[in-house]
Amino acid sequence: GAVVSQHPSWVICKSGTSVKIECRSLDFQATTMFWYRQFPKQSLMLMATSNEGSKATYEQGVEKDKFLINHASLTLSTLTVTSAHPEDSSFYICSADGRQGYEAFFGQGTRLTVV
Amino acid sequence: RKEVEQDPGPFNVPEGATVAFNCTYSNSASQSFFWYRQDCRKEPKLLMSVYSSGNEDGRFTAQLNRASQYISLLIRDSKLSDSATYLCAGESSGGYNKLIFGAGTRLAVHP
Repeated sequence: GAVVSQHPSWVICKSGTSVKIECRSLDFQATTMFWYRQFPKQSLMLMATSNEGSKATYEQGVEKDKFLINHASLTLSTLTVTSAHPEDSSFYICSADGRQGYEAFFGQGTRLTVV
Repeated sequence: RKEVEQDPGPFNVPEGATVAFNCTYSNSASQSFFWYRQDCRKEPKLLMSVYSSGNEDGRFTAQLNRASQYISLLIRDSKLSDSATYLCAGESSGGYNKLIFGAGTRLAVHP
């Protein structure tokens, strides 16, 4: 299957700082990547669709100015959590479409803790 | 109504048991469905794709019922290592190749 790499795996940051998370497709080109957030014991919630070369599409209720997405190449999408607060602490996961259809391949996830 | 809904469980079953999960979906136009397995504090991993004819892989069988708009996952001869959260996913009505996930069903297999 396709390989998606996400970095960092975990990060602890101070409230008010910004954190950048990278998502790379290692063996295929991904024109579209997706960013999810998952709070403990809850479902994956789609935050936004990252489109190579154009603006991301955000789901309802997700602040685009807080969660900056950049998809500058066919193999890299980044999510920047700006001015992070403790309530932003969560598990952030990216995914990219598999080559054979709709199945999504996930990065390893980033556990963000804001203190 | 959520686009994809699952019974959160937990399902507590002994080793060797057969267990089945259902997942209902609202997007009747969805053509593709998937079951993912997620271990604690890990990313989901694709378990099976579910197409119109269903799918079987060893102890795992997935079925699609379009009339009632649900998919199912059957696990036979449960192993301790099957303990995990199982997520179903279908195509979002919003298009754009987006998958919508259910909340997940927790399975705990005990000796």
